[in-house]
Amino acid sequence: NAGVMQNPRHLVRRRGQEARLRCSPMKGHSHVYWYRQLPEEGLKFMVYLQKENIIDESGMPKERFSAEFPKEGPSILRIQQVVRGDSAAYFCASSPGRIQETQYFGPGTRLLVL
Amino acid sequence: AQKVTQAQTEISVVEKEDVTLDCVYETRDTTYYLFWYKQPPSGELVFLIRRNSFDEQNEISGRYSWNFQKSTSSFNFTITASQVVDSAVYFCALSALDSNYQLIWGAGTKLIIKP
Repeated sequence: NAGVMQNPRHLVRRRGQEARLRCSPMKGHSHVYWYRQLPEEGLKFMVYLQKENIIDESGMPKERFSAEFPKEGPSILRIQQVVRGDSAAYFCASSPGRIQETQYFGPGTRLLVL
Repeated sequence: AQKVTQAQTEISVVEKEDVTLDCVYETRDTTYYLFWYKQPPSGELVFLIRRNSFDEQNEISGRYSWNFQKSTSSFNFTITASQVVDSAVYFCALSALDSNYQLIWGAGTKLIIKP
């Protein structure tokens, strides 16, 4: 009964490197969401994807950030040329169908940029 | 605009006390959904409850209960007979058409249960 899987759980990068965060949704779920949580803050929506489609990326920074959810394999959140301000916890959630349905979250990836 | 306010930044109580976490929301939509999630010290996010705007019945699940009051735009969460394992950050969230049903989160309330 696997829930939402995220890896890695912790990621350390130096400024200028790339970070790739992976998310496998719960079985039977076709909708994936990415959120960012800065220290001592609530979560902020980044992007909503279905298989092979970006549905809503209104929360994504305009530069350096991209996301995909290919037909096969996990969803990927990619951050290019990371900066210290990218240090945060990145959570992935999935839901089975309609966007109004409950989102179930993975354990998160803690990104630290040195 | 949509907004969720959790005015209590941190609450500390002694074990076995009852505690209520407040959540006040703002939305212009008539159809919306409210959620509570728990984030224990280990960091994961645990879903607790989902309530739609047309269902104002209060809900009880074991020691947890939720009071939804549309008249005051509140969705408060009460833990009865608190336990140390209840220590966590609790988030209230709102989902509605006005935000394309993306979750709008409160800042969270850190709950500390002392033995």
